[in-house]
Amino acid sequence: NAGVMQNPRHLVRRRGQEARLRCSPVKGHSHVYWYRQLPEEGLKFMVYLQKENIIDESGMPKERFSAEFPKEGPSILRIQQVVRGDSAAYFCASSSTGRTGGTGTGELFFGEGSRLTVL
Amino acid sequence: AQSVAQPEDQVNVAEGNPLTVKCTYSVSGNPYLFWYVQYPNRGLQFLLKYITGDNLVKGSYGFEAEFNKSQTSFHLKKPSALVSDSALYFCAVIGFSSGSARQLTFGSGTQLTVLP
Repeated sequence: NAGVMQNPRHLVRRRGQEARLRCSPVKGHSHVYWYRQLPEEGLKFMVYLQKENIIDESGMPKERFSAEFPKEGPSILRIQQVVRGDSAAYFCASSSTGRTGGTGTGELFFGEGSRLTVL
Repeated sequence: AQSVAQPEDQVNVAEGNPLTVKCTYSVSGNPYLFWYVQYPNRGLQFLLKYITGDNLVKGSYGFEAEFNKSQTSFHLKKPSALVSDSALYFCAVIGFSSGSARQLTFGSGTQLTVLP
């Protein structure tokens, strides 16, 4: 499968635990985006990363959430000390180009999501 | 700030009838507009996009969308709906102005149900 791979597909955590969500982009894509989808809502942008760099984290909560995209390996979205309100589907997307300065045409390739349930 | 509005949470249409899913947007600068479809428990799949050129854009699975600058709309259409088109549809936009960096902003989604 050459598409965006996310794992785990489903994750259950108790309040206060940590959640780690992984995303492997389409082969050759160096731009990764994380979105959160709450029940009955659309997708909300969280963070945009390129290899080893966070480009835009304007949608990330200031506390408990972090993201990385190392030189080798998948992108990781980490949620520390999870609370019930963190329960959502987290989608990763990748693209071959970025969207700064008017370049790039914006087509994103999405993974199937990681569904986090906090008990 | 850029935003997208999908005024209908739910659209029902009979199989074989034409369908329209509405989308309006607000951006600074020229918009890049997209439609994505989401099937249950799946990720989003790209349907079509408008960047420039003809206002009528054709995409996957027989869908098309019409860009209307004066009405700031980008409605999704299909001449003859199929039951298999039943899914959640998202409109999205990026606005470009003066080199600003923007992220893809999604609407809240419209659940399309095609009745047999």
